[in-house]
Amino acid sequence: DVKVTQSSRYLVKRTGEKVFLECVQDMDHENMFWYRQDPGLGLRLIYFSYDVKMKEKGDIPEGYSVSREKKERFSLILESASTNQTSMYLCASSDPDPRAFFGQGTRLTVV
Amino acid sequence: AQSVAQPEDQVNVAEGNPLTVKCTYSVSGNPYLFWYVQYPNRGLQFLLKYITGDNLVKGSYGFEAEFNKSQTSFHLKKPSALVSDSALYFCAVRDDNTDKLIFGTGTRLQVFP
Repeated sequence: DVKVTQSSRYLVKRTGEKVFLECVQDMDHENMFWYRQDPGLGLRLIYFSYDVKMKEKGDIPEGYSVSREKKERFSLILESASTNQTSMYLCASSDPDPRAFFGQGTRLTVV
Repeated sequence: AQSVAQPEDQVNVAEGNPLTVKCTYSVSGNPYLFWYVQYPNRGLQFLLKYITGDNLVKGSYGFEAEFNKSQTSFHLKKPSALVSDSALYFCAVRDDNTDKLIFGTGTRLQVFP
């Protein structure tokens, strides 16, 4: 089975901190995604990557950046965390089928 | 631009009754449509997809979805609901140009014993 692993289930950070969310997949997928999930808004795409060192902005990239130095790892970076970035963050990778496989999610609270 | 809409925030159904969770889509070309389910404190799990072919698509856990091109709909169905089906369900469409998945706002399914 495909496994997508997010480094933390729960995080609490202070306003202004730089935050790193890590995601690793074990199936050599080219496409990887970062979404945030908020009640009533569904999943909104922050960034996605279709290859190493390649990235594309999604619908809500402001305040975020990403890094993909290796195929299996896709990192989301909050440059200066703010309270409105408190959310559930979901990482996914997709195969050519196509199907997306999601990690367990990271619930981030910014205080 | 591609989009999906889930018009119901919540669907309530009694165990053993049939269930339908609605989804409509808007795409510029051929639609690639998906259903995902999210159980509490979990990531999303793939249920089924429509790419081409039969309009009735069968998926995991006894779910199926009906693709209707004239109504631009892709409703999720199950003949007999289980309490364990209670979860959050997301419809999604794939953008042909970028491969990104665009999700609806989700529908919470509550199955009562």
